[in-house]
Amino acid sequence: NAGVMQNPRHLVRRRGQEARLRCSPMKGHSHVYWYRQLPEEGLKFMVYLQKENIIDESGMPKERFSAEFPKEGPSILRIQQVVRGDSAAYFCASSPGGKYGYTFGSGTRLTVV
Amino acid sequence: KQEVTQIPAALSVPEGENLVLNCSFTDSAIYNLQWFRQDPGKGLTSLLLIQSSQREQTSGRLNASLDKSSGRSTLYIAASQPGDSATYLCAVQTGANNLFFGTGTRLTVIP
Repeated sequence: NAGVMQNPRHLVRRRGQEARLRCSPMKGHSHVYWYRQLPEEGLKFMVYLQKENIIDESGMPKERFSAEFPKEGPSILRIQQVVRGDSAAYFCASSPGGKYGYTFGSGTRLTVV
Repeated sequence: KQEVTQIPAALSVPEGENLVLNCSFTDSAIYNLQWFRQDPGKGLTSLLLIQSSQREQTSGRLNASLDKSSGRSTLYIAASQPGDSATYLCAVQTGANNLFFGTGTRLTVIP
């Protein structure tokens, strides 16, 4: 079991470009969560998805950010027209649902130059 | 809203010492509590998961306890080693989509 796989590990984008972050959950996990960690800060919830459905996006900025978890393939967090303030580590977690805890990936570190 | 607090924010101990990290939460209606470790620039590694019906969990030199009624958990690390240096995060799950993190304790073990 390869765990939660995130790619790329590091991503550099110029201001105004688009960033696409990918997350493949653990085998058997149908719940995916995205968190953001700003430098020297804690993890902040962004969005919770199940296959083909966004369940809760209350932590995600209304503009420029979107997430999906298609029937086939990884979950994608998409940031359009990136700005310097988007520079952060983005972590994906998955769970089988219920009370079994979360497993986190190694994160994608986004740097906007 | 659930609030999770970790004390101390930073801790420095000599190698070999036993130590305790503390976590408190305001709402006792939790599914479970997890302790994670985060190394600088790295992801989160799950150390221990305690279900709400359990009192403690052990893994190697780590022991985590949970007192749900008082809203407290402790992570005990025995015979600390320099490799234990990291930030330790406590998180409580209160629903399918509700995982609340503490602010972490940054541990340094001095050789």
